[in-house]
Amino acid sequence: AQTIHQWPVAEIKAVGSPLSLGCTIKGKSSPNLYWYWQATGGTLQQLFYSITVGQVESVVQLNLSASRPKDDQFILSTEKLLLSHSGFYLCAWSLELGVYAEQFFGPGTRLTVL
Amino acid sequence: GDSVTQTEGLVTLTEGLPVMLNCTYQTAYSTFLFWYVQHLNEAPKLLLKSSTDNKRTEHQGFHATLHKSSSSFHLQKSSAQLSDSALYYCALSENSGGSNYKLTFGKGTLLTVTP
Repeated sequence: AQTIHQWPVAEIKAVGSPLSLGCTIKGKSSPNLYWYWQATGGTLQQLFYSITVGQVESVVQLNLSASRPKDDQFILSTEKLLLSHSGFYLCAWSLELGVYAEQFFGPGTRLTVL
Repeated sequence: GDSVTQTEGLVTLTEGLPVMLNCTYQTAYSTFLFWYVQHLNEAPKLLLKSSTDNKRTEHQGFHATLHKSSSSFHLQKSSAQLSDSALYYCALSENSGGSNYKLTFGKGTLLTVTP
């Protein structure tokens, strides 16, 4: 069975500090990967997607970057956090590409920037 | 761009009463709609999906019918259970360019069912 793991579960960071959030999918080869973010009181919005190792496309510009160093790993990072980065970050994967394709979500990471 | 509106942020119901969570959408192209449910401390999971106009879709006691004429995909259940307490997201799937298929979410409705 496939599993998706996100780390850390929660993080409290200072403005200007670096950030690295991770996501690992086990049990599926070559998944399509996605990062979503939800600001407090806001809507979940897609930030990045990747359909293969080493290739990541940005959907929304938020002064964040993403990388896919391995087939089963997706990393979200920044060198300098902003207050506006606070929120809930979800990693997701899908096996198929298409409007009908179900996306499977991880449990998320709650980030508080002070 | 595409958008999804869930008018209720918070719904509180007594166990046994019917559930109706509203979802309307705006889209230029795609009409593939999803309902995701997120229980406390768990990942969002797919509850229902549909792209067929006027066809009822059912799963785990919940049902929804996509009505393209009114751009709606409301979630319903005849009798609420305590275990239905969760955050419910309505989402629209679209091709946002190239190989990317993204979900555009509503803000979510927190359903609380009380004894």
